[in-house]
Amino acid sequence: AQSVSQHNHHVILSEAASLELGCNYSYGGTVNLFWYVQYPGQHLQLLLKYFSGDPLVKGIKGFEAEFIKSKFSFNLRKPSVQWSDTAEYFCAVIGSGTYKYIFGTGTRLKVLA
Amino acid sequence: SAVISQKPSRDICQRGTSLTIQCQVDSQVTMMFWYRQQPGQSLTLIATANQGSEATYESGFVIDKFPISRPNLTFSTLTVSNMSPEDSSIYLCSVDTGTRGEQFFGPGTRLTVL
Repeated sequence: AQSVSQHNHHVILSEAASLELGCNYSYGGTVNLFWYVQYPGQHLQLLLKYFSGDPLVKGIKGFEAEFIKSKFSFNLRKPSVQWSDTAEYFCAVIGSGTYKYIFGTGTRLKVLA
Repeated sequence: SAVISQKPSRDICQRGTSLTIQCQVDSQVTMMFWYRQQPGQSLTLIATANQGSEATYESGFVIDKFPISRPNLTFSTLTVSNMSPEDSSIYLCSVDTGTRGEQFFGPGTRLTVL
């Protein structure tokens, strides 16, 4: 079955701490991978995406993610979080040539000032 | 990028009634999508709406419950019919950017059914 798993549902960090959010997927075929962020009161925004090429992709606001094909993973990282990173983060995959997103359940990140 | 607006932003409705949610895009797009985000859960695709054709519904969603209109390339509506408290969710529309499945999302409509 096609699915996306985000293992951390709630994460609380202090400012300047490092962040890594896990994302694993199950999909039979080539995928495109995305991380979306939803800040409080705002709509979903694209954080970064991976289609092909260098498995380490950089997104906005200092975020990066690494695609490890052998592990079916696309973990999100940031070396030093800020209070403004408090948000909900969603990992999503889409099969190449399709339009149907499969979303993970999301991770709520709270950064303490 | 596309700018997407939704109306209403939130509503509280009585059981058994219907609500129509509007989605407006500032540019012409081929594919529009409707999602549901139930409390504490992820986004689930309800249907894909292409202009000039019937919407394509995902498993578990039917046209009688969630009729969709797509009259032109910048607008779509989703109706939640005969509502029950289980329909309390955030409903989002999105549009395909034409880049390998990447989508832009609207701000969502927060629906509460009493």
